[in-house]
Amino acid sequence: EIMLTQSPATLSLSPGERAIFSCRASESINSHIVWYQQKPGQAPRLLIYDASNRAAGIPARFSGNGYGTDFTLTISSLEPEDFAVYYCQQRSSWPPITFGQGTRLEIK
Amino acid sequence: QVHLVESGGGVVQPGGSLRLSCSASGFIFNNHGMDWVRQTPGKGLEWVSFIRFDGSQKYYADSVKGRFTVSRDNAKNTLYLEMDSLRPEDTGIYYCAKDYSGTYHFFDHWGQGTLVTVSS
Repeated sequence: EIMLTQSPATLSLSPGERAIFSCRASESINSHIVWYQQKPGQAPRLLIYDASNRAAGIPARFSGNGYGTDFTLTISSLEPEDFAVYYCQQRSSWPPITFGQGTRLEIK
Repeated sequence: QVHLVESGGGVVQPGGSLRLSCSASGFIFNNHGMDWVRQTPGKGLEWVSFIRFDGSQKYYADSVKGRFTVSRDNAKNTLYLEMDSLRPEDTGIYYCAKDYSGTYHFFDHWGQGTLVTVSS
């Protein structure tokens, strides 16, 4: 089973700042990482797939990068609606599909 | 517009059973694999089960193998999860999720979730 470790657990930033989330896999998963955003009381929402491809309707301020074991999700300039929890998921080797434990982005 | 609506959650005693349903619309249901993913306080997001578009392949997380059964009725555009021998650690929100396509095993649409509580 591939383990995903996200860091930091919590990110405290202000609107307009840049946010960088990290996700590290326990073994190489090529580019097969996916990022989701989840707001309180809502289901996760697909943001990025295969490391760097934005899903339909996702703003350009969201970007993804990485290959192998280390991946990042960047929000270039935070909007108020971006404060949420962010999860990574690997689709390289399954079953099982695995998720990271999440990073909470909070307003500073 | 893709729409996934789960139902069937509730409160059940340990050892009991529940059947979850997920009604799908807005896409060609029998073209897509479907999954169940749960969210629990202890383990965050946890993939539970997958079923191939035609029902010919099914996979389960080790934590539910032998207790949960996934199925689908393509004529009714509905996904099911039969949950037996429920344990307190099965408590959580259960989401059905649509696979993006084919070998791209990630989820481009999710339902709103249904809450399962296992408690005496």
